Amino acid sequence: QVTLRESGPALVIPTQTVTLTCTFSGFSLSTSGMCVNWIRQPPGKALEWLARVDWDDEKNYSPSLRTRLTISKDTSKNQVVLTMTNMDPVDTATYYCARTSNLIEVPPAFDFWGHGALVTVSS
Amino acid sequence: DIQMTQSPSSLSASVGDRVTITCRASQSITGYLSWYQQKAGKAPNLLIFAASTLQSGVPSRFSGSGSGTDFTLTISRLQPEDFATYYCQQSSSIPWTFGQGTKLEIK
Repeated sequence: QVTLRESGPALVIPTQTVTLTCTFSGFSLSTSGMCVNWIRQPPGKALEWLARVDWDDEKNYSPSLRTRLTISKDTSKNQVVLTMTNMDPVDTATYYCARTSNLIEVPPAFDFWGHGALVTVSS
Repeated sequence: DIQMTQSPSSLSASVGDRVTITCRASQSITGYLSWYQQKAGKAPNLLIFAASTLQSGVPSRFSGSGSGTDFTLTISRLQPEDFATYYCQQSSSIPWTFGQGTKLEIK
């Protein structure tokens, strides 16, 4: 059974750096094709893909947030960590981690999601 | 970035109705299109991937079609549990992008 769970601070002060952790089970990020992504959703708004890390440690970022994001994985702990610097009130959102699989000739899709972690940026 | 545009943004329908939601990409994404359902306060749930492949466990009343730039999600007979917000998403090129969502409400 695949599960993912996000954790991190619920409240962040503007300009601070936030660290979010995705702890997963039911699959391994050392398995070829596995990827973990971060996606966010401001209250009442649409979903926005942020970053992903692959089984081979390849990383991709949203160009609009590239300078503020860092994604990393700890395969032994089954965790993926996202840090976002210089937080602003507009970054207030629910942050989700989700799995994708890079299967041959199958377009990737977010097949398993965590419940999400609401991060509020306010002084 | 590839822009994904859904229509309509909101839709009122009754139980038993057939509804269609469309999604248009700003450039060809071949079949790299997924559909998600999101209920209030919950994470999205994958319904369809590769434009028309039903995810395991998803009821057969959901179907997807299209390729290139134009795609549709059809719900053949609405059930009470289908009232939610639906998103399309492309995985053709980074950054992966979502549509703005279609809120399906009870008439």
